[in-house]
Amino acid sequence: EAGVVQSPRYKIIEKKQPVAFWCNPISGHNTLYWYLQNLGQGPELLIRYENEEAVDDSQLPKDRFSAERLKGVDSTLKIQPAELGDSAVYLCASSVDRASGELFFGEGSRLTVL
Amino acid sequence: GENVEQHPSTLSVQEGDSAVIKCTYSDSASNYFPWYKQELGKGPQLIIDIRSNVGEKKDQRIAVTLNKTAKHFSLHITETQPEDSAVYFCAASRRDATNKLIFGTGTLLAVQP
Repeated sequence: EAGVVQSPRYKIIEKKQPVAFWCNPISGHNTLYWYLQNLGQGPELLIRYENEEAVDDSQLPKDRFSAERLKGVDSTLKIQPAELGDSAVYLCASSVDRASGELFFGEGSRLTVL
Repeated sequence: GENVEQHPSTLSVQEGDSAVIKCTYSDSASNYFPWYKQELGKGPQLIIDIRSNVGEKKDQRIAVTLNKTAKHFSLHITETQPEDSAVYFCAASRRDATNKLIFGTGTLLAVQP
């Protein structure tokens, strides 16, 4: 069974440029999460989707971050414009449903903003 | 808000020794406590979890204990091996409509051969 797939794995951009990350969850997983992981820290939830509906986006900086999950499968996370402080690893995870305890994480997209 | 504290931040042990990582949570309504292992360049992977109706759970060389009164839970790894070297994260959540996992800051475990 394929795991959670994220791309790109690495991205280097200059500040004020836009960037987008893509996530393909495990087939059949209804719940999808985007987490932010700063260096030396634990993951912090940015947004959670139940199918195509964003049900928890309280931690998403909506002035520059946006996300979508069309058709309840793949998801994209966009930052526009990027700031120096956005340099981090963006992790995507999925679970069978909200009640399922185990989250399956992708390998992450490492963003460096110069 | 909810908070999970994790100690130590780094831990170095000799191969074959035991390792213990401790976490404390602030939300008394938390009832689900997973532990994730993250290897370099990889995403976190669940290694064991415990629910609040259980005080201890064991899976081969790893075990987790929970003290609800003190709001503490710990990860125990026995007979450590070099492949156990990684960053370990504890987390806590309520198993309700939010089901939001709050992660600790991580422990870098180094097992010396």
